[in-house]
Amino acid sequence: TQLLEQSPQFLSIQEGENLTVYCNSSSVFSSLQWYRQEPGEGPVLLVTVVTGGEVKKLKRLTFQFGDARKDSSLHITAAQPGDTGLYLCAASGSARQLTFGSGTQLTVLP
Amino acid sequence: NAGVTQTPKFRILKIGQSMTLQCTQDMNHNYMYWYRQDPGMGLKLIYYSVGAGITDKGEVPNGYNVSRSTTEDFPLRLELAAPSQTSVYFCASSRQANTIYFGEGSWLTVV
Repeated sequence: TQLLEQSPQFLSIQEGENLTVYCNSSSVFSSLQWYRQEPGEGPVLLVTVVTGGEVKKLKRLTFQFGDARKDSSLHITAAQPGDTGLYLCAASGSARQLTFGSGTQLTVLP
Repeated sequence: NAGVTQTPKFRILKIGQSMTLQCTQDMNHNYMYWYRQDPGMGLKLIYYSVGAGITDKGEVPNGYNVSRSTTEDFPLRLELAAPSQTSVYFCASSRQANTIYFGEGSWLTVV
């Protein structure tokens, strides 16, 4: 079972600030996904990265996959209150299962 | 668009009772999953299925059972409910195993 560690666990920032959250493992991933979950809802897929060193941008969100495919980061530029939520990384394991990290709870204060 | 539909949304069970969480998807996905999420935590896989008639245990299967008689439906059965099963349960499905669509969740409290 791949163990995914996310940091920080909690993050509270002011509107307009930048932030980065991390997802790390000792295992190599075949692919990695980032999800955002809002209270009372299921997680929603943001992005999938599959190539070492890959960088994907989704408006103010930048996702990077480490060269060795063991880690990933999510950077948010000029955070807004609407970015508030639980950010989860997930990696493909054996038998086509997804293993989730414990998440980063982000709060953006107006 | 319905996607993945779970019922019930909320349920309170007494210790020792049994119940079934229903899940259905209308996207003709082969893969279906049940996860549980404890407060402030990520998701842990309970059971999954790669197609009708096939089910496999995930990370935390004890106390649960599933069946997959059709492509659309993947019910999760709790036998002899325990307080440790108080959680939010998410059903999910995917066509290929690396793009997963989640239901809205079922909040279960065992008292």
